[in-house]
Amino acid sequence: QQQVRQSPQSLTVWEGETAILNCSYEDSTFDYFPWYHQFPGESPALLIAIRPVSNKKEDGRFTIFFNKREKKFSLHIADSQPGDSATYFCAASARGNTGKLIFGLGTTLQVQP
Amino acid sequence: GPKVLQIPSHQIIDMGQMVTLNCDPVSNHLYFYWYKQILGQQMEFLVNFYNGKVMEKSKLFKDQFSVERPDGSYFTLKIQPTALEDSAVYFCASSLDNERLFFGHGTKLSVL
Repeated sequence: QQQVRQSPQSLTVWEGETAILNCSYEDSTFDYFPWYHQFPGESPALLIAIRPVSNKKEDGRFTIFFNKREKKFSLHIADSQPGDSATYFCAASARGNTGKLIFGLGTTLQVQP
Repeated sequence: GPKVLQIPSHQIIDMGQMVTLNCDPVSNHLYFYWYKQILGQQMEFLVNFYNGKVMEKSKLFKDQFSVERPDGSYFTLKIQPTALEDSAVYFCASSLDNERLFFGHGTKLSVL
């Protein structure tokens, strides 16, 4: 049973468009929601994260939108660039145990020039 | 940025043999982790380690698995004996605050 569901599995957008990646979770004890990205041949790296006290977190072109009632969160990549092409993983972890991450399956994003 | 190094990148062994996966974490980090990713599936938590002790292990962390970090050197995952279902990519990670994890590139383990 997947505790963190991620969609779509793959996504292609044109340069300049906004890419939207979605995740949902089941466990209401989850308290920390990071997004990691992984470029080909590289290791996964933390991109941005949010806690439920906020419903939005921005870092440059990257924004997390969080809906606690629906147990959903999404990553929006504004003005997508070809260099954003990578696999993006959402994750969740519980309060006091943030290093024990439950990952989604990943979304492979391709940004076409 | 800080790097976590994993050695080797690929290991091929026969079922029943012992294997040790090595991880060189970021030097000042305090928390260490192993995650397992079977082809086509998500990365799954195996174990975390702090202050010389296992903090928590998942149901994937079988009795044949063990971890240690002797004298602040490599953080290792040992599997003895290996089974076919242990074939996967194993990711090591370390963290200063148990929140931001830095991952290695992974070791692909093939058990024949």
